[in-house]
Amino acid sequence: IAGITQAPTSQILAAGRRMTLRCTQDMRHNAMYWYRQDLGLGLRLIHYSNTAGTTGKGEVPDGYSVSRANTDDFPLTLASAVPSQTSVYFCASSQQRTSGMNEQFFGPGTRLTVL
Amino acid sequence: GENVEQHPSTLSVQEGDSAVIKCTYSDSASNYFPWYKQELGKGPQLIIDIRSNVGEKKDQRIAVTLNKTAKHFSLHITETQPEDSAVYFCAACSNDYKLSFGAGTTVTVRA
Repeated sequence: IAGITQAPTSQILAAGRRMTLRCTQDMRHNAMYWYRQDLGLGLRLIHYSNTAGTTGKGEVPDGYSVSRANTDDFPLTLASAVPSQTSVYFCASSQQRTSGMNEQFFGPGTRLTVL
Repeated sequence: GENVEQHPSTLSVQEGDSAVIKCTYSDSASNYFPWYKQELGKGPQLIIDIRSNVGEKKDQRIAVTLNKTAKHFSLHITETQPEDSAVYFCAACSNDYKLSFGAGTTVTVRA
């Protein structure tokens, strides 16, 4: 069982370029999330999807877009990359339950550098 | 929204000693509090979690305590070992299922 895979592992990107980070899960979880991790700031939610076909904005959504065409895939797109988007990006998934438990499983991350 | 504060930012302990990390949260509606461990170059992994109707939970050498009145929760690691060296994150989850994370604690266990 792979869990969550992310691609690419790392990328160096020129400012102004478009970039899509890929995320796939094989656990059939209904919810998926994108976070960015910056030193001293922890993990901040960019966008999320509670179920296929729906998406929502997190804490830091500006400059990013997502889509959820099916259960397994949740790509994150930077339409025109800027240096402040240099970060490590983590995708996560969870099976949301009415009990409120929300164990999120994380992918290995994508290290993105925008020059 | 929810605001989670985590202390200390770094913690160095002698092997065999205990480590304690503390977090506070702001939203009284938060009802789920997980702790994640992140090793170098990897994604965070859940190590223990607690729901708001429980005051303490243990799993071998790790334990979490929750004080809903004071809105704080803590992670306790006993008999620390070198493999406990990592970055630890606390988080709080409200009814919207979204996790708010603390800034992280870098734990170093000295041999």
